[in-house]
Amino acid sequence: GIQVEQSPPDLILQEGANSTLRCNFSDSVNNLQWFHQNPWGQLINLFYIPSGTKQNGRLSATTVATERYSLLYISSSQTTDSGVYFCAVDSYTGGFKTIFGAGTRLFVKA
Amino acid sequence: DSGVTQTPKHLITATGQRVTLRCSPRSGDLSVYWYQQSLDQGLQFLIQYYNGEERAKGNILERFSAQQFPDLHSELNLSSLELGDSALYFCASSVGKQGEQYFGPGTRLTVT
Repeated sequence: GIQVEQSPPDLILQEGANSTLRCNFSDSVNNLQWFHQNPWGQLINLFYIPSGTKQNGRLSATTVATERYSLLYISSSQTTDSGVYFCAVDSYTGGFKTIFGAGTRLFVKA
Repeated sequence: DSGVTQTPKHLITATGQRVTLRCSPRSGDLSVYWYQQSLDQGLQFLIQYYNGEERAKGNILERFSAQQFPDLHSELNLSSLELGDSALYFCASSVGKQGEQYFGPGTRLTVT
């Protein structure tokens, strides 16, 4: 089945720094989402981005579907950005399913 | 707040028991998805219902079952519980058969 790989697995930033998180997928996908899981466990929608570029405040995302990757940019990081960032793709190989990557664990230091 | 509600928030039960988790989708959403998040397996897709019918099945154990009712809320039934079933169970909803999914706050299940 389709593989979803996220990098880096862990990231420690000083407040105010910028970062880029990557999501690679092994086959064509129909949908791609980025989520932030906060320290309380809640999964928060960041972007629904099957292709192209979107921006929302300090966050932006780009998906290049033909090259099978997506990037999440976090600028001027804040301590509240800490948590785990997941990308998730929809695959139709062998029947529909949504597949999550293992996540990038981010800690922003004050 | 995503608009998706789940009850209960926490559940502690013993091995061998049966529990029911409940999910109400966002207003207007026809699809409900169930996921399991455990430390060793990550976030795993279990099952999807669309407008009352099962649409897709993922890594759902035979001891687990789900249904979606006419009012579109959904229940996930877990039976013959084992220690390894301890996890965070999420439901999500979307407008159509696929597309952007919105997640509920989850139910944390602890099996002792």
